[in-house]
Amino acid sequence: AQSVTQLGSHVSVSEGALVLLRCNYSSSVPPYLFWYVQYPNQGLQLLLKYTTGATLVKGINGFEAEFKKSETSFHLTKPSAHMSDAAEYFCAVSERGTYKYIFGTGTRLKVLA
Amino acid sequence: NAGVTQTPKFQVLKTGQSMTLQCAQDMNHNSMYWYRQDPGMGLRLIYYSASEGTTDKGEVPNGYNVSRLNKREFSLRLESAAPSQTSVYFCASSVRGTNTEAFFGQGTRLTVV
Repeated sequence: AQSVTQLGSHVSVSEGALVLLRCNYSSSVPPYLFWYVQYPNQGLQLLLKYTTGATLVKGINGFEAEFKKSETSFHLTKPSAHMSDAAEYFCAVSERGTYKYIFGTGTRLKVLA
Repeated sequence: NAGVTQTPKFQVLKTGQSMTLQCAQDMNHNSMYWYRQDPGMGLRLIYYSASEGTTDKGEVPNGYNVSRLNKREFSLRLESAAPSQTSVYFCASSVRGTNTEAFFGQGTRLTVV
């Protein structure tokens, strides 16, 4: 069965520092992978996705993620954190040909001034 | 462009009462989903509808029923609400299956007392 593990339910970084949010998945075949962001009292908004092709994926707001099949990982990074990046981030996975998105438990990012 | 619209946004129920959460999308998407979000547990799939006329159970279907009324609308019904169903409920839709991203509504915050 598919599953997603997000290491660290809370991550704090200083403004201007590197953001690294970790996501590992388990799947029998290479899955589709997604990162979503949720601001307080809002729905989820897509940051980026990997379906096929280039394994380094660029998203909105300066975020990017790299699909590493050998490590079953899809970590999210941003070179320089901004106060507006404070939110909860969710990694999601799905298997090709299915209709289910499976979400991780989320990582709440705090950006310190 | 409304996207995915959920009603109501907030609801308080007494234990044993019933209610229906409404969801409509205007993007001509084939697949629709209901998730619940609880602290520390991420998003868990309740039911999904791969296409009009079909519905399937997700990870946590007990205590819920769904209806795919037409291509646009997918409702979630609680027949006899329980305090354990206190949660934030999200409806989502995708073009077809999970090789594309899901688009989320703004959520319904439900409290069962």
